[in-house]
Amino acid sequence: AQKVTQAQTEISVVEKEDVTLDCVYETRDTTYYLFWYKQPPSGELVFLIRRNSFDEQNEISGRYSWNFQKSTSSFNFTITASQVVDSAVYFCALSEAGSSGSARQLTFGSGTQLTVLP
Amino acid sequence: DARVTQTPRHKVTEMGQEVTMRCQPILGHNTVFWYRQTMMQGLELLAYFRNRAPLDDSGMPKDRFSAEMPDATLATLKIQPSEPRDSAVYFCASGLASGRRMNEQFFGPGTRLTVL
Repeated sequence: AQKVTQAQTEISVVEKEDVTLDCVYETRDTTYYLFWYKQPPSGELVFLIRRNSFDEQNEISGRYSWNFQKSTSSFNFTITASQVVDSAVYFCALSEAGSSGSARQLTFGSGTQLTVLP
Repeated sequence: DARVTQTPRHKVTEMGQEVTMRCQPILGHNTVFWYRQTMMQGLELLAYFRNRAPLDDSGMPKDRFSAEMPDATLATLKIQPSEPRDSAVYFCASGLASGRRMNEQFFGPGTRLTVL
């Protein structure tokens, strides 16, 4: 069975600080996909990134960066120079590939509430 | 800018009433998912479809919930009869089952359901 753990329930930082959100996953599949979503106070779920299990290259997009390490089953998310607008709940999610290689449903972690104070 | 749309955005109803939620997936997407979000359970899958065929509805209470895709542009989630414990935000998401953007799911704004 697949499982996603986000041990940090809440994090509070002051604007311009860097912050890392942790995500640890469990799966028996060799092919899987990892995701991060942002849920701002307005409630919508905003897709941020997808990583494939066979691609461990880290990724940077502006102030966002992701560190994928299969050896520790982690997919951590770092926001550099945080801003008030980054305040949201961030969800890590996992999708196992079916026998056909195509997607199945997302299993979400419980989310991390990030508050960035001015 | 293609988006998943959901109606209604908010619904307040009384216990025992039927509730129907609708979702229009992004044009061209062939997978559709229904998720429910509550404080206690977080985000959990209810059902999903590929090419309009239901693939998994194991997360859905079968006695009162039903999900259908009458056509490629419409997915529905129905609760009959509704109960207070069904109060939650219901999200629809769509995506592609193949190609470069396979497995990315794009979510609608959700339907916030309150059952009194």
